[in-house]
Amino acid sequence: RKEVEQDPGPFNVPEGATVAFNCTYSNSASQSFFWYRQDCRKEPKLLMSVYSSGNEDGRFTAQLNRASQYISLLIRDSKLSDSATYLCVVNGLGGYQKVTFGTGTKLQVIP
Amino acid sequence: DVKVTQSSRYLVKRTGEKVFLECVQDMDHENMFWYRQDPGLGLRLIYFSYDVKMKEKGDIPEGYSVSREKKERFSLILESASTNQTSMYLCASTQGAEDIQYFGAGTRLSVL
Repeated sequence: RKEVEQDPGPFNVPEGATVAFNCTYSNSASQSFFWYRQDCRKEPKLLMSVYSSGNEDGRFTAQLNRASQYISLLIRDSKLSDSATYLCVVNGLGGYQKVTFGTGTKLQVIP
Repeated sequence: DVKVTQSSRYLVKRTGEKVFLECVQDMDHENMFWYRQDPGLGLRLIYFSYDVKMKEKGDIPEGYSVSREKKERFSLILESASTNQTSMYLCASTQGAEDIQYFGAGTRLSVL
């Protein structure tokens, strides 16, 4: 089983739709979690951290489910500009500074 | 604003050449990382460094070495480039162990 798994997609959704991605992780001792956004041929950039209590930033909501070992990202009212690949990142899977990236989920928002 | 700068956006090298990829960060971060990113494989950690002159192997260190002589600079070295090292190389830095990673714009390396 991969340490961090994401559905690669692509998720093709119309503008205004709500879309959700999940990311599962294998090690229950994982410490911190993030969602990054990566545009085509660009570097990843932090979208949001994922806290145990869940957190929201405008149209974006991130949740952590430790019992089932997954994190989720919900995007409401999708915009064309949301089209990107969304990377899940899990820290602390073992060893110093063990950072593991998921392979990403591609989102395409269609007019 | 954190800035991580990679010396080249695009590089074309020949098999067997020695290649240097440079990365500089301006936020006095302790930790620096080198990743490569390939389609379907995501980001894979090559090496990281948590202090000057310190280095640790990541998941795929074979064929690479690194150098960190100054806190702000972390270099990735391909001693003898091979075609399977054609990839996008990304440098990142963080302050603390579980902090946000800040990435450079990436270097797209082609080895012919």
